[in-house]
Amino acid sequence: AQRVTQPEKLLSVFKGAPVELKCNYSYSGSPELFWYVQYSRQRLQLLLRHISRESIKGFTADLNKGETSFHLKKPFAQEEDSAMYYCALRTSGTYKYIFGTGTRLKVLA
Amino acid sequence: GAGVSQSPRYKVAKRGQDVALRCDPISGHVSLFWYQQALGQGPEFLTYFQNEAQLDKSGLPSDRFFAERPEGSVSTLKIQRTQQEDSAVYLCASSVTTVNTEAFFGQGTRLTVV
Repeated sequence: AQRVTQPEKLLSVFKGAPVELKCNYSYSGSPELFWYVQYSRQRLQLLLRHISRESIKGFTADLNKGETSFHLKKPFAQEEDSAMYYCALRTSGTYKYIFGTGTRLKVLA
Repeated sequence: GAGVSQSPRYKVAKRGQDVALRCDPISGHVSLFWYQQALGQGPEFLTYFQNEAQLDKSGLPSDRFFAERPEGSVSTLKIQRTQQEDSAVYLCASSVTTVNTEAFFGQGTRLTVV
């Protein structure tokens, strides 16, 4: 069965430090991977998707099929990055997301 | 409206009561999804509509859960005879087409069953 694992419930870093939020998935086909973010009192919103290969708000994520990972990285964390981050998988040609349990990122001043 | 709208934002129900949760998707969006998010968990898929057709209801946890989208726009998720384990945030999302497009989420309805 398809599954997304985010091993860290909480990640605290200091402002200006690098950030890496881990995401591993299990799926034998060609996956679509996404990172969604939820800021305090706001709705879940798309941060980035692997097929776009873009950087949003300084965040990047590379799909590593060998390691079945899609870790989210940012070289210098900002306080406004504090939020809940969810990794999500969508299997090829389908419509539904399979979400991980989320990682709360706290960026300390 | 500018985004997906859900109402009510908060609902407290006594165990055994029926509840109805409403979702107004972005105008013109073909696809509509319902997800359930329990405390400390990620959203879990409940059901999917393409226009008015409910194409997938594999995630509905029991026959007490029922969803409809009769005119291919507004959708209602109904839970009959609510139980404490139904307490969760119910999220609605819509997307412009069926696959390979971004899903936009509403702010959710927090249901608490007491």
